[in-house]
Amino acid sequence: RKEVEQDPGPFNVPEGATVAFNCTYSNSASQSFFWYRQDCRKEPKLLMSVYSSGNEDGRFTAQLNRASQYISLLIRDSKLSDSATYLCVVTYNTDKLIFGTGTRLQVFP
Amino acid sequence: DAGITQSPRHKVTETGTPVTLRCHQTENHRYMYWYRQDPGHGLRLIHYSYGVKDTDKGEVSDGYSVSRSKTEDFLLTLESATSSQTSVYFCAIRELRDTGELFFGEGSRLTVL
Repeated sequence: RKEVEQDPGPFNVPEGATVAFNCTYSNSASQSFFWYRQDCRKEPKLLMSVYSSGNEDGRFTAQLNRASQYISLLIRDSKLSDSATYLCVVTYNTDKLIFGTGTRLQVFP
Repeated sequence: DAGITQSPRHKVTETGTPVTLRCHQTENHRYMYWYRQDPGHGLRLIHYSYGVKDTDKGEVSDGYSVSRSKTEDFLLTLESATSSQTSVYFCAIRELRDTGELFFGEGSRLTVL
């Protein structure tokens, strides 16, 4: 079983839609959680950290469920510019960050 | 943008030849990483460094070696390239151990024929 698993998608949604991605992790000792965004043929960039109490940044909401060992990312009012691959990242030894394979989102007009 | 550059950005080589990829940073960050990215596998850690001359293996280190003789440079070497090492290689840097923000270079696309 992979340490971090994501649905690869693609998720094809119209502009204005709400879309949610989940990510599961296998190591219960995991310490920190993040969502990265990667545009086609570009490098990944940090989108947001995920805190135990959940956190929001504009149209983006991230949540953590330690009991079920998953994190989620909710995007409201999707924009064309949100089209990208979203990578889930988990650390359990803070020297290393483990990436999921990513979920591809395509927003259409 | 973080000051991190990779070279070369593109390289085509033949099986059995040595290849070195260079990662250079101007941020004076302690932690540096080499990842490879392949379809269906995502980003996988090859090696990382937590200081000058301090390196450790990641999950896919076989066939790769690294060196870090200066804070700003982290070299990834394929001693004898194989076709399975065709990939996009990303270098990343991180300032603090407890922060999750990695800053990535633009990637190096390697093709081994």
